[in-house]
Amino acid sequence: DAGVIQSPRHEVTEMGQEVTLRCKPISGHNSLFWYRQTMMRGLELLIYFNNNVPIDDSGMPEDRFSAKMPNASFSTLKIQPSEPRDSAVYFCASSLPGPNYEQYFGPGTRLTVT
Amino acid sequence: GENVEQHPSTLSVQEGDSAVIKCTYSDSASNYFPWYKQELGKRPQLIIDIRSNVGEKKDQRIAVTLNKTAKHFSLHITETQPEDSAVYFCAQRRNTGFQKLVFGTGTRLLVSP
Repeated sequence: DAGVIQSPRHEVTEMGQEVTLRCKPISGHNSLFWYRQTMMRGLELLIYFNNNVPIDDSGMPEDRFSAKMPNASFSTLKIQPSEPRDSAVYFCASSLPGPNYEQYFGPGTRLTVT
Repeated sequence: GENVEQHPSTLSVQEGDSAVIKCTYSDSASNYFPWYKQELGKRPQLIIDIRSNVGEKKDQRIAVTLNKTAKHFSLHITETQPEDSAVYFCAQRRNTGFQKLVFGTGTRLLVSP
């Protein structure tokens, strides 16, 4: 199994541009999580899906952030317009259904907004 | 409510010494307590976890203890090695529905040879 796949691995963009981060969960996992990691805030949960349905998006910072999961094998996190304070590592994680299973993290996308 | 406090934020030990990281939580409904290790530039990876029906769990040089009454749990690493150097995160989750993991703020462990 290839594990959780994220793309791109690195993204550098200018303030005001739209950024789209992509995630492919492990096959058979129907829970998907988006996290943001910074030195100041640590590891923050932005949103999570179960069976492609958003369950909790209370961690999404503001309306500039949106996430979708159109099918069981693909999710996107979009930032529009991007700002320098959005610079962070964004991780996607997936797990089997239910509360008793490990979350497997992807390699992350390092986003730099200049 | 949901809150996990983790201490210390940094920990330096000599190779061969033991290291202990402690976490305190507030949600009495929490039933699952994993620990993740994140090496520099890498993703967090689960190293050990414990559920509320168990007080202690060991896996070679690492162990986790849980005190539900006091609402705290700890990670113990014995005979530390330089490759144990990383950031360690505790987390907690309710054992119902699709509840999310709430992570601690992390402990940077440095093991000096």
